[in-house]
Amino acid sequence: AQTVTQSQPEMSVQEAETVTLSCTYDTSESNYYLFWYKQPPSRQMILVIRQEAYKQQNATENRFSVNFQKAAKSFSLKISDSQLGDTAMYFCAFMKHVRTSGTYKYIFGTGTRLKVLA
Amino acid sequence: DAGITQSPRHKVTETGTPVTLRCHQTENHRYMYWYRQDPGHGLRLIHYSYGVKDTDKGEVSDGYSVSRSKTEDFLLTLESATSSQTSVYFCAISDTNQPQHFGDGTRLSIL
Repeated sequence: AQTVTQSQPEMSVQEAETVTLSCTYDTSESNYYLFWYKQPPSRQMILVIRQEAYKQQNATENRFSVNFQKAAKSFSLKISDSQLGDTAMYFCAFMKHVRTSGTYKYIFGTGTRLKVLA
Repeated sequence: DAGITQSPRHKVTETGTPVTLRCHQTENHRYMYWYRQDPGHGLRLIHYSYGVKDTDKGEVSDGYSVSRSKTEDFLLTLESATSSQTSVYFCAISDTNQPQHFGDGTRLSIL
């Protein structure tokens, strides 16, 4: 069974600095997708970044980038030039296609609460 | 942003009463999901749908039922609400090989 582990329940970072959130996962699949979602105090779940497992190049979205290590099953999120608006809960998620049912299975980590300090 | 509307946004009810939460989408996505979010557990899948009238159970389906009679609507029913079902409920939609997009959540309190 697939699992997603976020080992840092809480983190803090000074404004304008860089922070890295960790995520590891366990799967025997070769094709899958990984995502980071952000949940600010407003409770919305916002997609931050996605990575296809077959792509070696790490995904980047403005100040957000990932370090995808497929062999190590690691998918960390780096936030550069942290801003107060980055304060949120961050969830790592794994997705794969289930061939037998034709559906998609998503597994979420338990989240890392990030606080950006002024 | 994906067009997903959850209703109600907040609800307080009593133990033993039935409760129905509604998820409405305007994206014509095939897949719809119901999750509950509790501290320390992240998001846990309750039920999901892969087409009209096609649904299946997730990891925490006991005490919940769903229905999808139209592509755009996915209903979650708590047949007889219990205090352990106090939670924040999220609906999500997705399409083939795409990430999920979420509604704004429903905060449900059962007294």
